[in-house]
Amino acid sequence: DSGVTQTPKHLITATGQRVTLRCSPRSGDLSVYWYQQSLDQGLQFLIQYYNGEERAKGNILERFSAQQFPDLHSELNLSSLELGDSALYFCASSVNGGRDEQYFGPGTRLTVT
Amino acid sequence: AQSVTQPDIHITVSEGASLELRCNYSYGATPYLFWYVQSPGQGLQLLLKYFSGDTLVQGIKGFEAEFKRSQSSFNLRKPSVHWSDAAEYFCAVGARGNTPLVFGKGTRLSVIA
Repeated sequence: DSGVTQTPKHLITATGQRVTLRCSPRSGDLSVYWYQQSLDQGLQFLIQYYNGEERAKGNILERFSAQQFPDLHSELNLSSLELGDSALYFCASSVNGGRDEQYFGPGTRLTVT
Repeated sequence: AQSVTQPDIHITVSEGASLELRCNYSYGATPYLFWYVQSPGQGLQLLLKYFSGDTLVQGIKGFEAEFKRSQSSFNLRKPSVHWSDAAEYFCAVGARGNTPLVFGKGTRLSVIA
């Protein structure tokens, strides 16, 4: 158990809908990262937050957004969902960021039908 | 910016045989290097990390990795593979500053009897 929790574990929704994925980092970790993993794209870094502020951005679509709250939990919002958004979404956390090792949550499997 | 290459997409080894997974990185200074393992349907778990010092690092589950600066490599090894080692393995590199870790595309390991 990494100490990173993600909810929900599974999510099935229809195209055009909006969903919110939630992540609670390990106790004491200030950085949260979001990743998308699919068979064709592999593990893709989406975005990083550090102590409530956006720190780094990767291959995140404009339809996706994230935030980190004062209690350090984070949410990833996916809107106008398309079939191609079906994937595993992982959250990871680290003490600070940059070179720190990241600890991954168990993931949320999103299926868009 | 740093980058990581895992040249082998898929490797199959016999149970009890030795294993070496390759990882090459690109970074101008001394990097931080990591190996993660992902079992099917699970999140990524940290196997080992290299920050500085001894270039041979020991990790969990009997894995070790050797940092070779001259070859820009950080190969993962295990002397005797068990069927439970079948998984996806990711190499990652960290750089200075706030840049998050960069992950390789992964190597899938299959273990046969």
